[in-house]
Amino acid sequence: GAVVSQHPSWVICKSGTSVKIECRSLDFQATTMFWYRQFPKQSLMLMATSNEGSKATYEQGVEKDKFLINHASLTLSTLTVTSAHPEDSSFYICSARVPSGPNTGELFFGEGSRLTVL
Amino acid sequence: AQSVTQLGSHVSVSEGALVLLRCNYSSSVPPYLFWYVQYPNQGLQLLLKYTTGATLVKGINGFEAEFKKSETSFHLTKPSAHMSDAAEYFCAVIILGGAGSYQLTFGKGTKLSVIP
Repeated sequence: GAVVSQHPSWVICKSGTSVKIECRSLDFQATTMFWYRQFPKQSLMLMATSNEGSKATYEQGVEKDKFLINHASLTLSTLTVTSAHPEDSSFYICSARVPSGPNTGELFFGEGSRLTVL
Repeated sequence: AQSVTQLGSHVSVSEGALVLLRCNYSSSVPPYLFWYVQYPNQGLQLLLKYTTGATLVKGINGFEAEFKKSETSFHLTKPSAHMSDAAEYFCAVIILGGAGSYQLTFGKGTKLSVIP
């Protein structure tokens, strides 16, 4: 299947700093990527839909100025947590949608990025 | 709007016993159905999927699921649990609409524990 890679896997930062997480589709072009946040022992919460070449679509309640999403190419989307605070500590997961071929519509997930804000 | 319900947030089975994780969905149009597994501190891995065709689908690690339209269910089963099956399992519904629209809904997840 298709491969989606996230980097970094783990990141620790001080409160007030910004952190960037990358999501790459390694063997296919992803016009659409998704960013999720997962709290302990809970399901994934969709934060935003990232569309290549256009602005991201944020879910209700997600601060777009806080969570900056950039989808500059067909294989890369980035999530930047700006002015991070301890309550932003979470597990962030991206996924990419396969646009064509036998896996059309299927989502492939990155490995996740654990953010800890001190 | 579609929804996904996973019955039981936590299921425990003995090693070698049958695994049954339940998933019911609601959708006004034929959905794509998926089961994902998540190990601690990792992303999601696809176990199996139903799009069209045969309603009994087989996935990795010996898991299978059957799409039952009349029951709006897509339960996940495995005949014999293994210790390595202990993980969190998520059922998901994806609706592909016109003009490239895409709606994804996850269930809340079921944590599977396997008792030696």
